[in-house]
Amino acid sequence: GQQVMQIPQYQHVQEGEDFTTYCNSSTTLSNIQWYKQRPGGHPVFLIQLVKSGEVKKQKRLTFQFGEAKKNSSLHITATQTTDVGTYFCAGSLKTSYDKVIFGPGTSLSVIP
Amino acid sequence: GAGVSQSPRYKVAKRGQDVALRCDPISGHVSLFWYQQALGQGPEFLTYFQNEAQLDKSGLPSDRFFAERPEGSVSTLKIQRTQQEDSAVYLCASSVRFSSYEQYFGPGTRLTVT
Repeated sequence: GQQVMQIPQYQHVQEGEDFTTYCNSSTTLSNIQWYKQRPGGHPVFLIQLVKSGEVKKQKRLTFQFGEAKKNSSLHITATQTTDVGTYFCAGSLKTSYDKVIFGPGTSLSVIP
Repeated sequence: GAGVSQSPRYKVAKRGQDVALRCDPISGHVSLFWYQQALGQGPEFLTYFQNEAQLDKSGLPSDRFFAERPEGSVSTLKIQRTQQEDSAVYLCASSVRFSSYEQYFGPGTRLTVT
């Protein structure tokens, strides 16, 4: 079946350093979504990417969708303690209702 | 406005007991999803409703798991004869569209089977 993988599993950075998490799918995706889950919280939608090669920015966050629509990345510039949490990518297959498969997540710790 | 709510927030069940987990989605959201999240893992898809129709139940791990959404709003996930491997957080999410775009998650129900 379809698999969505993420690396790294954990990342510890000093506040102010940059952070990147990578997402890879075993199959071509219809679109990809990113979610953030704070410790003890629930996933919160960040963004959806649809087009091949698409790049979107949200303040210090930059999201990319690969040309082959099989991989994606999330880059955070100058991390802050508020960025702590687990970042999940969720790859969507074009079924009748666009089902998503979540990756295992990258847990980000920011050392002040 | 109110977000997605789930109850109970915590449930401890003895092995073999039946449990029922409730989800109240955002009013007007047509799509409703159930996920199972084990510690340190991403949400794993269980089932999907479009209004009252259960369109995909391919993620339900066994026939002990059953979900319904009879009036197209509130949904219940029922687990019969709970096993220790059922211990996890059960997340409900709703979406305004006929898709999984921008899902709004509830706080989850943490189920512990002893």
